[in-house]
Amino acid sequence: GAVVSQHPSRVICKSGTSVKIECRSLDFQATTMFWYRQFPKQSLMLMATSNEGSKATYEQGVEKDKFLINHASLTLSTLTVTSAHPEDSSFYICSARGTHESTDTQYFGPGTRLTVL
Amino acid sequence: QQQVKQSPQSLIVQKGGISIINCAYENTAFDYFPWYQQFPGKGPALLIAIRPDVSEKKEGRFTISFNKSAKQFSLHIMDSQPGDSATYFCAASRYNQGGKLIFGQGTELSVKP
Repeated sequence: GAVVSQHPSRVICKSGTSVKIECRSLDFQATTMFWYRQFPKQSLMLMATSNEGSKATYEQGVEKDKFLINHASLTLSTLTVTSAHPEDSSFYICSARGTHESTDTQYFGPGTRLTVL
Repeated sequence: QQQVKQSPQSLIVQKGGISIINCAYENTAFDYFPWYQQFPGKGPALLIAIRPDVSEKKEGRFTISFNKSAKQFSLHIMDSQPGDSATYFCAASRYNQGGKLIFGQGTELSVKP
């Protein structure tokens, strides 16, 4: 149990276009989902916390107009990178906090590799 | 005060040996300490977690040791195997902060056959 999926796993886009990444909790309901960004050989950097039915909370320094987050249901959150530029190229990972057991436990998705040309 | 410091940055262990990774935290309000394992190109996977009311937790070959007074916790991997070669992250969170995880810097473990 506790499986989180992400789609797509890999995406290449042109500079100036927008890209949407989906995060789904497959076998549990997640009231809270988190979006992280990870550069090579570095730790995970939290971008925002997403609660179902409410606006996302962004970490300091993360542009909310550039990284649009929607958490429309208890099993789906989306991250849209708007007007992507090469510096947005990174590994984006979501996680979901389950309600069926310890509410501290976060389960991570497999990640999405974004390359902006 | 929100930092979690992890060491070493990289670790090489012979097959069958014990791998030890250490983390230190500053915020005494943290009440949940998980360890994650990440393979290249994959998302982190929860390995084992501990709360401050116990000093040790063991699951298979993986053990967390927790020292509340020193504000330190460590991951021990017994009988390390080449398949354990991965990056390991410690983390900490406070329940009343929405479960937001603060991650350590990561340790790249290589287990040599």
